Amino acid sequence: QQQVRQSPQSLTVWEGETTILNCSYEDSTFDYFPWYRQFPGKSPALLIAISLVSNKKEDGRFTIFFNKREKKLSLHITDSQPGDSATYFCAASSNSGTYQRFGTGTKLQVVP
Amino acid sequence: DMKVTQMPRYLIKRMGENVLLECGQDMSHETMYWYRQDPGLGLQLIYISYDVDSNSEGDIPKGYRVSRKKREHFSLILDSAKTNQTSVYFCASSPLQGNNQAPLFGEGTRLSVL
Repeated sequence: QQQVRQSPQSLTVWEGETTILNCSYEDSTFDYFPWYRQFPGKSPALLIAISLVSNKKEDGRFTIFFNKREKKLSLHITDSQPGDSATYFCAASSNSGTYQRFGTGTKLQVVP
Repeated sequence: DMKVTQMPRYLIKRMGENVLLECGQDMSHETMYWYRQDPGLGLQLIYISYDVDSNSEGDIPKGYRVSRKKREHFSLILDSAKTNQTSVYFCASSPLQGNNQAPLFGEGTRLSVL
């Protein structure tokens, strides 16, 4: 049972466009949602994270929007660059100790 | 320097052989993890360790066991490896579980079981 779902599986955008990656979850105890970025042949690295107390988290070109009622998040990448081409993972955990569950990832390609 | 180190980086084994994957961290993190990553399946948790000799199964523990005798070191053991255990294995660590700290990942071990 996939507790964290991501869509789309893959996505191609033009350089300069805004990329939107989606994530949803089921477990109501989840309260922390990190996003990881993984380049080919490398390990996942934390990109940005949001907790249940926030609706939005911004870091440069990366913004997480959080709809708690619907248990949905989205990662927006503005002015997408070829260097953003990677696989993006959404994860979820709870402060009560539920370890992080990962989604299956979205593979992003940004075309010049 | 905050780092999670995995050894070896690449490993080829024959079916039925025993496999030892090692992981170390220099941050005195209490919590350590072993994940495997397969195409299309994301990262799946094999085992989690909350401290020395305090280990719990993750989502896919079958065929694996772990050992943590020192806080900075966490090993993954495959007894009699199977071909379906061919995968990329990631070790990660974080401060106390429950503090919502995103794990820091090692560079991974690419294991092929022939």
